[in-house]
Amino acid sequence: ETGVTQTPRHLVMGMTNKKSLKCEQHLGHNAMYWYKQSAKKPLELMFVYNFKEQTENNSVPSRFSPECPNSSHLFLHLHTLQPEDSALYLCASSQRGGQGEKLFFGSGTQLSVL
Amino acid sequence: GESVGLHLPTLSVQEGDNSIINCAYSNSASDYFIWYKQESGKGPQFIIDIRSNMDKRQGQRVTVLLNKTVKHLSLQIAATQPGDSAVYFCAEHGSARQLTFGSGTQLTVLP
Repeated sequence: ETGVTQTPRHLVMGMTNKKSLKCEQHLGHNAMYWYKQSAKKPLELMFVYNFKEQTENNSVPSRFSPECPNSSHLFLHLHTLQPEDSALYLCASSQRGGQGEKLFFGSGTQLSVL
Repeated sequence: GESVGLHLPTLSVQEGDNSIINCAYSNSASDYFIWYKQESGKGPQFIIDIRSNMDKRQGQRVTVLLNKTVKHLSLQIAATQPGDSAVYFCAEHGSARQLTFGSGTQLTVLP
């Protein structure tokens, strides 16, 4: 148990569906992240939120829409996805402000787009 | 740009032997490094970290070595156990102020 909880663990959706991924952290951290993990590739940073404000958007297509209502919750809204978007989506949190940041990850949502 | 690479994509070791997983990084300004372990079906789990003002740090059965001259990082696991089987990857914290991750090495522990 890392203190970061993601739901659902698995998701299968069609290209015309709309779904949302949820992340909650119980660590009192002030930064939250979405990462995409594809097979045999490094983790790709998608979005960063500091104190609920988005500070990073790594050229992510608009079919991915993040939402951070407070420092403990993070959502990733999905719509009209493509099959190449199938991957493991990881949420992480950290305490910003220190020298170097240790990220704590959830178990991820394994997404399959048909 | 920054890149972090692993020397070997897979590594097999006998149970009880020591394991060494290597990582090369490209940004000489990187000041913080982390090793993560990822088991099947789970998210990455923090193992150990090291700052650039150190060249060695030890944890429980793990040691991280940092060679800034050649921009090389290694993770040593002593007395490797079956539960150590996982993907291990390094990450560096550099000028982008974000962690840059390597692709990972799959460690398999043989009985």
